[in-house]
This record gives sequence, structure tokens and C-alpha cells, in this order.
Amino acid sequence: AQKVTQAQTEISVVEKEDVTLDCVYETRDTTYYLFWYKQPPSGELVFLIRRNSFDEQNEISGRYSWNFQKSTSSFNFTITASQVVDSAVYFCALSPSYSGAGSYQLTFGKGTKLSVIP
Amino acid sequence: EPEVTQTPSHQVTQMGQEVILRCVPISNHLYFYWYRQILGQKVEFLVSFYNNEISEKSEIFDDQFSVERPDGSNFTLKIRSTKLEDSAMYFCASSQPGQGTSYNSPLHFGNGTRLTVT
Repeated sequence: AQKVTQAQTEISVVEKEDVTLDCVYETRDTTYYLFWYKQPPSGELVFLIRRNSFDEQNEISGRYSWNFQKSTSSFNFTITASQVVDSAVYFCALSPSYSGAGSYQLTFGKGTKLSVIP
Repeated sequence: EPEVTQTPSHQVTQMGQEVILRCVPISNHLYFYWYRQILGQKVEFLVSFYNNEISEKSEIFDDQFSVERPDGSNFTLKIRSTKLEDSAMYFCASSQPGQGTSYNSPLHFGNGTRLTVT
């Protein structure tokens, strides 16, 4: 069984502060994918990143960075110099990669609601 | 960029009524999915569909639910006799084989249909 834990239910930061959203996962699969999605108040799921389990390189994309640590089963997400537009619910998700080439079955965490205060 | 489109964006139905949620996946995708999100909660996998049959389903996907690909472009989710607890946002998704990249996911979500059962 797979499980994703996002222990932080809500976080509030003041604009321009850095913020890290935690994600811890459990899986028995040897290969898997990890995802982060942003859900703004309008409700759609905005894809941010997908990570293969065999690639532990950290990623940086603009103000966003991700720290993948297999040893601690964590895939944390940091927003640098937060902006009001970053206010949203952020979901971490996990999918086995054995399900078939091109097939995904995502298990989502409960999400972290980020509020960035001007 | 091609999109997964869902119609309608919001549907209201009475308890006990049948409802069909419609989705048009991306045209060259081979895998199709339904997920749901009860208000304020996490996104949950319902079912995946490949080669005109269900490939995986969760325990939520009971006999009240069915999926169909009636033609070459649509993918539908039917709820036979809706209950109050079926009220949720339903997301359709589709994916294709291929590795993708960290920032170019082969899995695409639609914007969702908000179902309200009264």
C-alpha cells in the first residue's frame, strides 16, 4: 500500500519569505514517481514536477526547488521569495511506475494550504 | 498545448438520479482516469482505463460507478443513483507512454466537474 503524508495542514508566510512544504511517502515499490501539484482557489490541478525514484538530483525551477531524499522517503518543496500568487493548496503525490508504460495511479497527500500575506 | 476537457464544469443533480460526467482526453493518449476530490479533502483515484477496459480501480469505485469510451474521443463516468456523499469535484486525466521530463508530465488533468447532489 502506498501512503503520502503532508503533515503541514496550513502555513502562512509573509510575502518574500521562503517556505518549505514537507512530503513524506511510503511505498514498497522499487521504482515509482513523485509529483507536486498546485491547486489554486479556482480548483484545477496545476502540475509542477514529476520525479523518477532513481533520480535523486535536486531540482530548481525559478523560485521553486525540490529536495528528494530516498533515505528519508521525503520529497520536500521550497518556494523562495514567496508571492501572493503562490497562495494555493499544494499536493504531493506518488505513483508506482510498474503499472505499465504510460500508466499512473496517483496516491495524493492531504495537501498543504499555503497563504502568502502581502 | 493539448488539453483534457471536461463538461460540464458544474452539475447539480438530485439524490437518486443518474449522472454522466464527460471528458475528452488528449487525442493520442492511451490511458484514461477518473479521480475525485470531496470538498476540502485530498484527491482520490477512482479508476484507470486502457484498451477499452478498466485496468485498475479503487475501493471507492463500486457498482454505482461505470466508465465508458463510447467513441474515439469521449470518456465518461456514470453514477447510477447518486448519493449526497457523491458530491465532489471529479477530475478526468489521460496519459501516454513515454518518460516525459521533470517538468513535462505525460499525465494531464482536466479542470474538473463539480458535482453537487441535493
